Amino acid sequence: EAGVVQSPRYKIIEKKQPVAFWCNPISGHNTLYWYLQNLGQGPELLIRYENEEAVDDSQLPKDRFSAERLKGVDSTLKIQPAELGDSAVYLCASSLNSRGGEKLFFGSGTQLSVL
Amino acid sequence: AQSVAQPEDQVNVAEGNPLTVKCTYSVSGNPYLFWYVQYPNRGLQFLLKYITGDNLVKGSYGFEAEFNKSQTSFHLKKPSALVSDSALYFCAAHKTGFQKLVFGTGTRLLVSP
Repeated sequence: EAGVVQSPRYKIIEKKQPVAFWCNPISGHNTLYWYLQNLGQGPELLIRYENEEAVDDSQLPKDRFSAERLKGVDSTLKIQPAELGDSAVYLCASSLNSRGGEKLFFGSGTQLSVL
Repeated sequence: AQSVAQPEDQVNVAEGNPLTVKCTYSVSGNPYLFWYVQYPNRGLQFLLKYITGDNLVKGSYGFEAEFNKSQTSFHLKKPSALVSDSALYFCAAHKTGFQKLVFGTGTRLLVSP
């Protein structure tokens, strides 16, 4: 069974440029998450999808970040424009559902460097 | 607000010795608790979880964790460490019925030969 696939693996951009990350969750997983992981920190939730609906985006900086999950499968996270402080690892995860206690399956992440 | 604390940035242990990675939590009500492991250039991998029942839960790769409600702790343990256990370990929690995981800052485990 294929795991959660993310691309690109690394991305280097200049500040004020746009950037997009892509995630393909495990087949059949209804819930998809985007997490932000700063160096030396644990992951922090940015947004959670139930199928194609964003049910928790309270931590997403909506002035520059946007996300979508078309058809309830793949998802894209976008930053426009990027700032120096956005340099971090962006993790995508999926789970069968969001009932309590479900384990999350994580992708390898996209490491973003903003110069 | 929920929070998870991992008081040790790094734990050093010799191969073959027992290991403990500490975690304390602050979650209202009954917590759901997890341990994840992150190897270099890899995503986080699920190790084990506690939902209810026996306070000692067993997980992957010989790891186990003990839930202690009075001390609000969920320490990760293994009787005999392997060099291959060297990685970054994250404790996480969420409250009942609310699937929003909060992670600790992580503990780097270094197992020396």
